[in-house]
Amino acid sequence: DQQVKQNSPSLSVQEGRISILNCDYTNSMFDYFLWYKKYPAEGPTFLISISSIKDKNEDGRFTVFLNKSAKHLSLHIVPSQPGDSAVYFCAARRGLTSGSRLTFGEGTQLTVNP
Amino acid sequence: EAGVAQSPRYKIIEKRQSVAFWCNPISGHATLYWYQQILGQGPKLLIQFQNNGVVDDSQLPKDRFSAERLKGVDSTLKIQPAKLEDSAVYLCASSYGTGGPTYEKLFFGSGTQLSVL
Repeated sequence: DQQVKQNSPSLSVQEGRISILNCDYTNSMFDYFLWYKKYPAEGPTFLISISSIKDKNEDGRFTVFLNKSAKHLSLHIVPSQPGDSAVYFCAARRGLTSGSRLTFGEGTQLTVNP
Repeated sequence: EAGVAQSPRYKIIEKRQSVAFWCNPISGHATLYWYQQILGQGPKLLIQFQNNGVVDDSQLPKDRFSAERLKGVDSTLKIQPAKLEDSAVYLCASSYGTGGPTYEKLFFGSGTQLSVL
């Protein structure tokens, strides 16, 4: 039962343009969503998060949008830079207590071309 | 601040052999996680410790996998006997584990790449 899905395994964009990574979830009990970035041979690193009480959260070049009715979130990177080339994982959890499990999507490989 | 340390970096074993992975979390982090990441999939939680107690091991194949967290700090994950489908990257992560926004940030180690032949 894949509760968090990233349907695009890969995405290629030109430097300076916008990158949009998408994520869908099925569990309506999820109320906290996160994006992680992973470079080869390294562990994932936290990028940005959003609570279900919001529909947008912005941090520099990164913005996450949440559409609860569609059970969909997206990560926008503007402008995209070659250093952004990595695998991006969407993740979701129910609540912020110590017992809530983080469920990850399959990841999207982003390639930003110079 | 030192990150999450894991060893070994790579391990190649034959099926039915045993293997162990070690993790040292960030100092002061109460919560420690072991994740399994199979190629082309996202990380899947195997076990979560809060200090030295188990919070969630519902996805741990307990017939072959075991884990412990000694004195609430270091942790080891063991597989015995290994199967071909255990080939994956095993990621250790830690967090403050106090609940609230600071809890959301898991810090991951670089992982152990396991190949079972």
